Amino acid sequence: KNEVEQSPQNLTAQEGEFITINCSYSVGISALHWLQQHPGGGIVSLFMLSSGKKKHGRLIATINIQEKHSSLHITASHPRDSAVYICAVRFGYQKVTFGTGTKLQVIP
Amino acid sequence: DTEVTQTPKHLVMGMTNKKSLKCEQHMGHRAMYWYKQKAKKPPELMFVYSYEKLSINESVPSRFSPECPNSSLLNLHLHALQPEDSALYLCASSGQGSYEQYFGPGTRLTVT
Repeated sequence: KNEVEQSPQNLTAQEGEFITINCSYSVGISALHWLQQHPGGGIVSLFMLSSGKKKHGRLIATINIQEKHSSLHITASHPRDSAVYICAVRFGYQKVTFGTGTKLQVIP
Repeated sequence: DTEVTQTPKHLVMGMTNKKSLKCEQHMGHRAMYWYKQKAKKPPELMFVYSYEKLSINESVPSRFSPECPNSSLLNLHLHALQPEDSALYLCASSGQGSYEQYFGPGTRLTVT
């Protein structure tokens, strides 16, 4: 069974804190996505990774293929980072399995 | 243009109504997706179209009928829905090579 687990489920941080969200999956994958969803619905793709590390602004995503684990880091967190962060893994070309999401709230 | 658009943003319909959701992209992507998302849950895949042909149907009830009239458009026709079908319906598209999915803003559907 293809499973994707995220932790923590909920996270509250003070503005400026360094934040880490973790994602683990059970079988080999072709790629892993980190997505952001704000209240109201729309999903934004933050990163797609198949190996190593990617950085965009204050966001950093890493993946360890051997350990089947990925992390999303947010440096100098800001209240506008408050959202649900979803890890999604792709096992083939098109089908994606989503994690249950991490709800992040950054308090000023 | 890296945008996927969806209309309408909100839709309220009765159980006997027939309505359609529309999704459009102009990125030249040849794969398009419909997802259903209930509150506080991750999106669930409903359908995948690849080169305008239905390639994945995740055992979705026939009251949901997808249509891909051309490479830029994806429709979801709705008929005789149930209140439990109320959800956010998300469309996405992806191109060859990276298969990274780009999501639309969603249609918030309420069935009364």
